[in-house]
Amino acid sequence: DGGITQSPKYLFRKEGQNVTLSCEQNLNHDAMYWYRQDPGQGLRLIYYSQIVNDFQKGDIAEGYSVSREKKESFPLTVTSAQKNPTAFYLCASSIRFFSGNTIYFGEGSWLTVV
Amino acid sequence: AQKVTQAQTEISVVEKEDVTLDCVYETRDTTYYLFWYKQPPSGELVFLIRRNSFDEQNEISGRYSWNFQKSTSSFNFTITASQVVDSAVYFCALSVYQAGTALIFGKGTTLSVSS
Repeated sequence: DGGITQSPKYLFRKEGQNVTLSCEQNLNHDAMYWYRQDPGQGLRLIYYSQIVNDFQKGDIAEGYSVSREKKESFPLTVTSAQKNPTAFYLCASSIRFFSGNTIYFGEGSWLTVV
Repeated sequence: AQKVTQAQTEISVVEKEDVTLDCVYETRDTTYYLFWYKQPPSGELVFLIRRNSFDEQNEISGRYSWNFQKSTSSFNFTITASQVVDSAVYFCALSVYQAGTALIFGKGTTLSVSS
């Protein structure tokens, strides 16, 4: 089945540690995205990538890093510099980076800092 | 600047009631797209509909219907004869031509349908 796979679904991290969230898509989409969701805040864009080996900061990129070495993969690293990392993280993709294209989402990853 | 407002934080209805979720958007762009997504308890956002700024036709899909009115900058979503399975968080989102695909989300409306 085609889709977006995120792993792990639940992740616990100790303060001061970096953690990487995986996102893989087999939809042959050029563009990929990471969003963060906090209760009552809606979704906010962290990073996006229009094409392989390219990525741009979104609205809340501080404390996060990404890479896009392969078309199908867009991992997100939450670094120790992120002050409040506990949240629900959603990966997404679209066929192109164009406003008329629909963005499709994965099932999300819950990150809790303990 | 672009903005999406979903003024209703939570709505509770009883099965078979009709319910309308409101969405008001702000943009100065003439070319833009509006979306609705459903987020069930599992967490995944499920795409429901996309509408471009040049198409004000209302749309109906089964029990779902959407009313797009540029005059009031609104894109409201109505569920007819609601069911328990409709319980979810619903998000309205906007993307503008100048910003590529990046979606601007409202804060969501939590719909609870009881039997």
